[in-house]
Amino acid sequence: DVHLVESGGGLVQPGGSLRLSCAASGFTFSNYAMNWVRQAPGKGLQWVSIISDDGVATYYADSVKGRFTISRDNSKNTVYLQMNSLRAEDTAVYFCAKARGSGRHEDYYFDYWGQGTPVTVSS
Amino acid sequence: QSVLTQSPSASGTPGQRVTISCSGSSSNIGSNIVNWYQQLPGRAPKVLIYSNDQRPSGVPDRFSGSKSGTSASLAISGLQSEDEAEYYCAAWDDRLNGYVFGTGTKVTVL
Repeated sequence: DVHLVESGGGLVQPGGSLRLSCAASGFTFSNYAMNWVRQAPGKGLQWVSIISDDGVATYYADSVKGRFTISRDNSKNTVYLQMNSLRAEDTAVYFCAKARGSGRHEDYYFDYWGQGTPVTVSS
Repeated sequence: QSVLTQSPSASGTPGQRVTISCSGSSSNIGSNIVNWYQQLPGRAPKVLIYSNDQRPSGVPDRFSGSKSGTSASLAISGLQSEDEAEYYCAAWDDRLNGYVFGTGTKVTVL
């Protein structure tokens, strides 16, 4: 069975940093792109970032570009999200999601999701 | 502010058919596939429809998707109480160079 387990969330002050981790199991991790998606309290889903299977290609939502960095360690079956210069509007539950599709990122869909880790940015 | 617009809510009685629409533009739905996700209260999202009209294994055939031009639709036929959830459309946006979700539609079973 596929499992995605996020960790690293918590309370951080504005301007602070956090690193989220997502440990994957049940599939060949190095064959699939991975994503981070967030959901602010009572709000809809917002895609944050994607990283290719080999870690070479990354894309970000405009709202986090320059502040967040996605990375992966295929030897540890883990994807990370380094979040710097955090703002109150970054408060959300952060989900990692496995991508599946034809190979073009435009054709991807997210077939497995973790349960999420909450991040609160507040003084 | 999402670039994919959905009606905020939809409802029906058990057994009825409900349709949810998703309106986009040439840079997203008009040029890329659409996927649909279901999010039950307090749960992680789950893919319902991928590549416009494909159902993953395990998803009942009561759920169907379609796309035309810059819009897409999700239909739920034979509505059941367990279908009460939030539904999101999603697609890659070539102009934003990123993935975008719709605003979400809450389906209520009366």
